[in-house]
Amino acid sequence: DGGITQSPKYLFRKEGQNVTLSCEQNLNHDAMYWYRQDPGQGLRLIYYSQIVNDFQKGDIAEGYSVSREKKESFPLTVTSAQKNPTAFYLCASSIDPRKAEDEKLFFGSGTQLSVL
Amino acid sequence: QKEVEQNSGPLSVPEGAIASLNCTYSDRGSQSFFWYRQYSGKSPELIMSIYSNGDKEDGRFTAQLNKASQYVSLLIRDSQPSDSATYLCAVKNTGFQKLVFGTGTRLLVSP
Repeated sequence: DGGITQSPKYLFRKEGQNVTLSCEQNLNHDAMYWYRQDPGQGLRLIYYSQIVNDFQKGDIAEGYSVSREKKESFPLTVTSAQKNPTAFYLCASSIDPRKAEDEKLFFGSGTQLSVL
Repeated sequence: QKEVEQNSGPLSVPEGAIASLNCTYSDRGSQSFFWYRQYSGKSPELIMSIYSNGDKEDGRFTAQLNKASQYVSLLIRDSQPSDSATYLCAVKNTGFQKLVFGTGTRLLVSP
């Protein structure tokens, strides 16, 4: 089955700790994205990557870091600099965001991050 | 002004009625518009995309776009309790070429 796999489903972070959220896709999509969703809020873009070894900051990149060493993988690290990390994190991919017919997003099942 | 605005709801409709969900956007140059459905605790799933003015129908769903008024809507005919979810409007803005999401409208369909 093709899809996007996020892990873990639930994650707890201690004060001052960095944590990494995994996102893997086997859809052969070029672009990958990380969004954050707070209760009652829309999705806010953290980082995105359109090709391997390249990524761009979104609207709320402070306190987060990413890498894109492989087409299939786009892990997100929530650093200790992110003071309010509790949220639902969603990874997504799209075939080619430059083409209207290929820009729709496919989402993973999400990771709920909480602070201990 | 928010880039994409939606009424948070809840919008309550009886089973079998038409549910009308609305969204306005600020970037006049936006070209691509999407409706996603999100069940509680789950990830969003795409239900409709629309790129040109007018109506686009897919089963019980109709998306309507009016670029002059910067308005996009989603109609759900013959609403079912299983349609109860939050509906997110997303607009691809010009320049930065990223999707901007609204906060979503919560729809409740009562049996």
